[in-house]
Amino acid sequence: DGGITQSPKYLFRKEGQNVTLSCEQNLNHDAMYWYRQDPGQGLRLIYYSQIVNDFQKGDIAEGYSVSREKKESFPLTVTSAQKNPTAFYLCASSGAGAGSGANVLTFGAGSRLTVL
Amino acid sequence: AQSVTQLGSHVSVSEGALVLLRCNYSSSVPPYLFWYVQYPNQGLQLLLKYTSAATLVKGINGFEAEFKKSETSFHLTKPSAHMSDAAEYFCAVSERGSQGNLIFGKGTKLSVKP
Repeated sequence: DGGITQSPKYLFRKEGQNVTLSCEQNLNHDAMYWYRQDPGQGLRLIYYSQIVNDFQKGDIAEGYSVSREKKESFPLTVTSAQKNPTAFYLCASSGAGAGSGANVLTFGAGSRLTVL
Repeated sequence: AQSVTQLGSHVSVSEGALVLLRCNYSSSVPPYLFWYVQYPNQGLQLLLKYTSAATLVKGINGFEAEFKKSETSFHLTKPSAHMSDAAEYFCAVSERGSQGNLIFGKGTKLSVKP
């Protein structure tokens, strides 16, 4: 079945360490996204990519980095510069074009990062 | 700028009662509107979307929403709540042509009492 796979599901890290969250999709979607979710704050956009080898900052990009070397993959690195990294991270993808289908996001199951 | 306001961070209903989750949006152009559902420790799943066809949109699990331009609202309803409906619900808006750039509300957590 087509979908988005995020790994790991749970991750613990010490302060000062970088950590990379994986996101892989087999939906043949052009666009991919990373959101951060905190209780009571909804979803906030970190980075997005509409095409391979290109990506843009979202609303809260500071302390994060991404790459898009393959269409299927969009890993997120949480760097030591991120002041409050404990959160639930969601990866999503959407199809191409300007029609309504391009605005429908398909989400992965999420990765929960806890900084000790 | 676009924005979404969900009224009520928590809503509690009895099993079998009407579910009404409120969403108001702000957009300078006709938007696309969405409702997503999230179960604990899972990703979001699309319930339904409005893309300018019928103003009353039917989704999965018996949910529906009505687009009211005059009220800038897109409230989510279900006639009879089930225990399995307990989850968090997110309303989202995007501009036509803005590929996938959704603005999400802060969510409403629905509890269903037996």
